[in-house]
Amino acid sequence: AQSVTQLDSQVPVFEEAPVELRCNYSSSVSVYLFWYVQYPNQGLQLLLKYLSGSTLVKGINGFEAEFNKSQTSFHLRKPSVHISDTAEYFCAVRNSGGYQKVTFGTGTKLQVIP
Amino acid sequence: EADIYQTPRYLVIGTGKKITLECSQTMGHDKMYWYQQDPGMELHLIHYSYGVNSTEKGDLSSESTVSRIRTEHFPLTLESARPSHTSQYLCASSDERGGAGTEAFFGQGTRLTVV
Repeated sequence: AQSVTQLDSQVPVFEEAPVELRCNYSSSVSVYLFWYVQYPNQGLQLLLKYLSGSTLVKGINGFEAEFNKSQTSFHLRKPSVHISDTAEYFCAVRNSGGYQKVTFGTGTKLQVIP
Repeated sequence: EADIYQTPRYLVIGTGKKITLECSQTMGHDKMYWYQQDPGMELHLIHYSYGVNSTEKGDLSSESTVSRIRTEHFPLTLESARPSHTSQYLCASSDERGGAGTEAFFGQGTRLTVV
């Protein structure tokens, strides 16, 4: 079975400060990893994904994430946040083969403080 | 650009009523999903479909039912709504021909309140 842990339910950060949203996963097989963003009263939108290759993945809106296989982590980072980044962020994992179930984390609410 | 639509966006309905939440996508995706989202909880998959005439139950048991008569349409029905059904319902689709690395595209959600 696979699982995703987002340790922080809420992360407040001042505008223009850097932020890191943590995601750890567990799986017995190789996985694909995703970060989605959900703005208030909206559906989820893909920020970035890791399939293979370079462990540093760049996404939309200046976000990036680094896949660390030894630590089974896929933390999301942005060097300087903007008010418009206030949203909920979901990490997701999917097995790369077999029954390709997607498992989502519980989400991290990023609140950018002006 | 993702084109997946859910209606209504918000619905307040009385206990015992029958409701249908609509979901349509114009991307020709074969796989479609319904998720239930509650505050502070992970998204729970309640139904999915591989294509026309294919429907499967997800990980979270749900009293709702779904149908997939057309590729683009994946409605969810509750025969008799109860307050425990109050939640946000998210519809999504993906093009599985791209493999497991393909992301899902989500609708804006329907927030259902049963009073």
